[in-house]
Amino acid sequence: EVQLVQSGAEVKKPGESLRISCKGSGYSFTSYWISWVRQMPGKGLEWMGRIDPTDTYTNYSPSFQGHVTISADKSISTAYLQWSSLKASDTAMYYCARQNWGDDYWGQGTLVTVSS
Amino acid sequence: DIQMTQSPSSLSASVGDRVTITCRASQSVSNYLNWYQHKPGKAPNLLIYAASSLQSGVPSRFSGSGSGTDFTLTISSLQPEDSATYYCQQSYSTPLTFGQGTKVEIK
Repeated sequence: EVQLVQSGAEVKKPGESLRISCKGSGYSFTSYWISWVRQMPGKGLEWMGRIDPTDTYTNYSPSFQGHVTISADKSISTAYLQWSSLKASDTAMYYCARQNWGDDYWGQGTLVTVSS
Repeated sequence: DIQMTQSPSSLSASVGDRVTITCRASQSVSNYLNWYQHKPGKAPNLLIYAASSLQSGVPSRFSGSGSGTDFTLTISSLQPEDSATYYCQQSYSTPLTFGQGTKVEIK
C-alpha cells in the first residue's frame, strides 16, 4: 500500500527554524517527484515546489523561492520542507504529495502554527 | 506563471443534480489538467488527471473534459458525500498552479 506519512503538528515562534518530513512507503521512492502544497487558514491550495528524490533536483514556485528549502534523503525514503526563519504568515497546513499523472497520493498534512 | 481561473466560486445544488465546474488557463496547458476534491480535515483527493482520465477508485459520476485553455469537471448526479471544495491544477509547466477552488454545497 502506497503511503506518505508526515511528521506531527508544530508550534513555533517567529524567527525559529523548522523542518517537517514526509516518509514514503509501498513504492519506489525515487520513481516519483514529491511536491509540497500549502493551505493557509480559510484559503485555497498553493503549490510550493517539488523534488526529484533520485538526484534532489528541485523546482520552486517564485512565491516560495528563497523562503523554504525542499530536500530529500532517498536512503530513508523521506522528503523535507524546511524554514530557517519562520514568520507568522507561515501558519498553515502543509501537504506532501506524490506526483504522477496528477498528485495521486497525499500525506495527511502537517499543521504549522507560528505565534509569539 | 500560468493562471488558473475557476467558476463559479461556490454553488449550491440538490442531490441528483448535474453539476458543472469550469476552469480556464491563461495559456494552453494541452491536456495537463488535473481535478481534486478537498474536504475539511482531509488531504486532497485526485479525481481526474490528464483532463479526462478518471483516477482509480473514483466514482464514475465524476468526469472531465477539455483541452488547451478550457476545461470542465462534471458531477452527473450529485451525492451528499460530494460536498467539498474542488480545485483544478495545471501540470504543464512549473510552477504548477491551482485554481482558486469551487465550494460545492448540498441544498
